[in-house]
Amino acid sequence: EAQLVESGGGLVQPGGSLRLSCAASGFIFNHHYMDWVRQAPGKGLEWVGRIRTKDRSYSTQYAASVKGRFTISRDDSNNSVFLQMNSLKTEDTAVYYCAKVDGDYPDSDGDWRGVFDIWGQGSMVAVSS
Amino acid sequence: DIQMTQSPSTLSASVGDRVTITCRASQSLNIWLAWYQQKPGKAPNLLIHRASNLKSGVPSRFSGSGSGTEFTLTISSLLPDDFATYYCQQYYDSSPGFGQGTKVEIK
Repeated sequence: EAQLVESGGGLVQPGGSLRLSCAASGFIFNHHYMDWVRQAPGKGLEWVGRIRTKDRSYSTQYAASVKGRFTISRDDSNNSVFLQMNSLKTEDTAVYYCAKVDGDYPDSDGDWRGVFDIWGQGSMVAVSS
Repeated sequence: DIQMTQSPSTLSASVGDRVTITCRASQSLNIWLAWYQQKPGKAPNLLIHRASNLKSGVPSRFSGSGSGTEFTLTISSLLPDDFATYYCQQYYDSSPGFGQGTKVEIK
């Protein structure tokens, strides 16, 4: 059974840093883009960012709200993806989900577009003084 | 960025009701739209992709339709397990985006 398990959440002061990890099992990890999605308390879902596969040079893409502060990386040898969060703000308080991208179609550049078919259980990040 | 707007934000319904949720996009998505169900304290769960393709294992009382900028999710006959929040998501763009959600609550 395909599964994602997150770890690393917690309480951090504004301006601080935190690193989330997401361990994958049950699918061929290095074949898939991996994303992070967050959900502030009582709010909707917000896409955070993406890391592509080796054949796409492990390129990354981020939402404007986190660009320059958050970094996504992956370790294909250990089936893991990471979210490094720096310069945290109170508005970053949320449950953070890692999600597997199931590629549905390639665009004209061969970049896959897809849906989130597997989600982690979520990791709570609270930014507060 | 593509803006996604769902309506209504909240829907009160009874078991057995037919309910419809609408999702509108600020530009054409072709058919590249998904629907998710989320229950309190849980991760979202994919229901539909390509606007109308039911994910394997999802009950047939769920259906999706639409293309371009307007899409609908229909639950033909609500069951108690269906009271949840539903999100649409566009994947036409390399930056995926979600609607704000529709909470289906018990009348």
